[in-house]
Amino acid sequence: AQSVAQPEDQVNVAEGNPLTVKCTYSVSGNPYLFWYVQYPNRGLQFLLKYITGDNLVKGSYGFEAEFNKSQTSFHLKKPSALVSDSALYFCAVRDIRGSTLGRLYFGRGTQLTVWP
Amino acid sequence: NAGVTQTPKFQVLKTGQSMTLQCAQDMNHEYMSWYRQDPGMGLRLIHYSVGAGITDQGEVPNGYNVSRSTTEDFPLRLLSAAPSQTSVYFCASSRQRNTGELFFGEGSRLTVL
Repeated sequence: AQSVAQPEDQVNVAEGNPLTVKCTYSVSGNPYLFWYVQYPNRGLQFLLKYITGDNLVKGSYGFEAEFNKSQTSFHLKKPSALVSDSALYFCAVRDIRGSTLGRLYFGRGTQLTVWP
Repeated sequence: NAGVTQTPKFQVLKTGQSMTLQCAQDMNHEYMSWYRQDPGMGLRLIHYSVGAGITDQGEVPNGYNVSRSTTEDFPLRLLSAAPSQTSVYFCASSRQRNTGELFFGEGSRLTVL
């Protein structure tokens, strides 16, 4: 079965510093990986995805993620954090085969807090 | 520019009552799904649909029913509400079944007393 793990429940970073939110995955076959962000009392918003190609994926709001096949990781990064980046971040992997094709499996989420 | 619309946003039920959470999308997406979000557990898939007339179970389907009579609508029915169904429910849709990103509604917060 496909799964993702987000090892940190919380990440705290000062404004202006780089941030990393970690994600590791376990899949059979090639992974289709996603990052979403959730602001308080809102639905999830798509940030970026990796399907194939370049290992460095650029997304919305200045975020990027690096796909690392040997380490089975897909960490979310941003060079300079903003207070407005404070939110709940979810990593997800999508099933690409068989009867469960299309299902999206989410990690438990990482709460990012950026201090001014 | 509606996207995915969920109603109601808030609902309080008594144990044993039934209700329907509505979900509609105006993007002509074939794939639609329902998730529930509980603290510390991320999002868990309840049911999904790959097109009108086709539905299937997700990870936590018990106590819920769905139907997909049109491309636009994907209602979620709670048959006999239980306190364990207190949660925030999200409807999501995507153009493609495998590679497309999901578009989420704003959520429906349900409390079962």
